[in-house]
Amino acid sequence: DIQMTQSPSSLSASIGDRVTITCRASQNISFYLNWYQLKPGNAPKLLIHAASTLHNGVPSRFNGSGSGTDFTLTFSSLQPEDFAAYYCQQSYSNPPTFGHGTKVEIK
Amino acid sequence: QVHLVESGGGVVQPGRSLRLSCAASGFTFSTYGMHWVRQAPGKGLEYVAVIWHDGSDKYYADSVKGRFTISRDNSKSTLYLQLNSLRAEDTAVYYCARGENFYASSGHITNALDIWGQGTMVTVSS
Repeated sequence: DIQMTQSPSSLSASIGDRVTITCRASQNISFYLNWYQLKPGNAPKLLIHAASTLHNGVPSRFNGSGSGTDFTLTFSSLQPEDFAAYYCQQSYSNPPTFGHGTKVEIK
Repeated sequence: QVHLVESGGGVVQPGRSLRLSCAASGFTFSTYGMHWVRQAPGKGLEYVAVIWHDGSDKYYADSVKGRFTISRDNSKSTLYLQLNSLRAEDTAVYYCARGENFYASSGHITNALDIWGQGTMVTVSS
């Protein structure tokens, strides 16, 4: 199975901060990389697919980039509703494994 | 409105079985691959299993292979997960999710989980 490594595992930031999360795959996955947001008590939400394509209705302050093995999720200006956990997932091969997650907390 | 609603969770003793269901509505269920993902308390998302739109193929995470079985009834728009030989480490919220194909400008097709249910809690405890 392809292993996905996210960093950091958690971070503290302030409203308006620019924040970047990274995700590394154990092998080349081209652009087959998705990002999800998970808030306590809520269903996970798809943010980005194909490494950089925003899903319907996702605010433009979210930006995904990367290809091959290294990927990033960037928040251009952190908003109150962005405090949550974020997961990358590869869809290159089955099973489509997740990273261990990054928890974004309020500083 | 597209919806997925899981049911069937509960408290069960180690070694026992449970069957989870996921009722789909608002889309043509039989044309989508469907997935189960779980989240143990205080842990991250863990992939569990996927089934092809027509049930012709299935994949499982190593942690559940041989114990869990994914299936579907397209006539009822319902996805299932049979959990056998349950262990304490199977305690988690179990989500079902729809696998959507997205067509990139390059012509490639990628897949992502675009619709998720609210989850059903499974607790394995004596």
